[in-house]
Amino acid sequence: QVQLVESGGGLVKPGGSLRLSCAASGFSLSDYYMSWIRQAPGKGLEWVSYISGSGSSMNYADAVKGRFTISRDNAKNLLYLQMNSLRAEDTAVYYCARDRQLSFHYWGQGTLVTVSS
Amino acid sequence: SYVLTQPPSVSVAPGQTARITCGGNNIGIKSVHWYQQKPGQAPVLVVYDDSDRPSGIPERFSGSNSGNTATLTISRVDAGDEADYYCQVWETSVIFGGGTKLTVL
Repeated sequence: QVQLVESGGGLVKPGGSLRLSCAASGFSLSDYYMSWIRQAPGKGLEWVSYISGSGSSMNYADAVKGRFTISRDNAKNLLYLQMNSLRAEDTAVYYCARDRQLSFHYWGQGTLVTVSS
Repeated sequence: SYVLTQPPSVSVAPGQTARITCGGNNIGIKSVHWYQQKPGQAPVLVVYDDSDRPSGIPERFSGSNSGNTATLTISRVDAGDEADYYCQVWETSVIFGGGTKLTVL
């Protein structure tokens, strides 16, 4: 069955970096667009970034553009989010999600990123 | 940028019908998707493409979309439906509504 498992979250100081991973199983990552979506504590959902199945197309929310980079390793069935120049407002649970025609049918359980000094 | 507007909260008695709206400019021409999120859990897709249900989602969940409003309807509400609900569309990027907390009285 389809499973998505995020990892790599933790506590980081403002200005620091973190790389999140999302391990996919039960399907081939190369067949799907994938997204990262985040949720700040007590707040709503916010889309962060997507990447095409081949990795040739990517898009980012304005709030993270220039600081975050999405990538994938289809051979390992892994999705990544490299986060640089982190700010307090980036504190959130980060979910990876599998895209199907612009809706998200499968989500991971999320990994918490806390940006604080 | 495109904005989706949801009521912050909706309350309904058990057994009744809950309707959660999602407003957006000409949203009727877009495909609207709905997610349910219970505390401490990841969101779950309950309706996609306005009115389709993923496998495993009860028929009690239905959706409609016309004009400037999309609606998620939950029939015969029970305590297990208490959750936050989010609408979502694509408009040059992924847009989520602010979420609606459904309370079962």
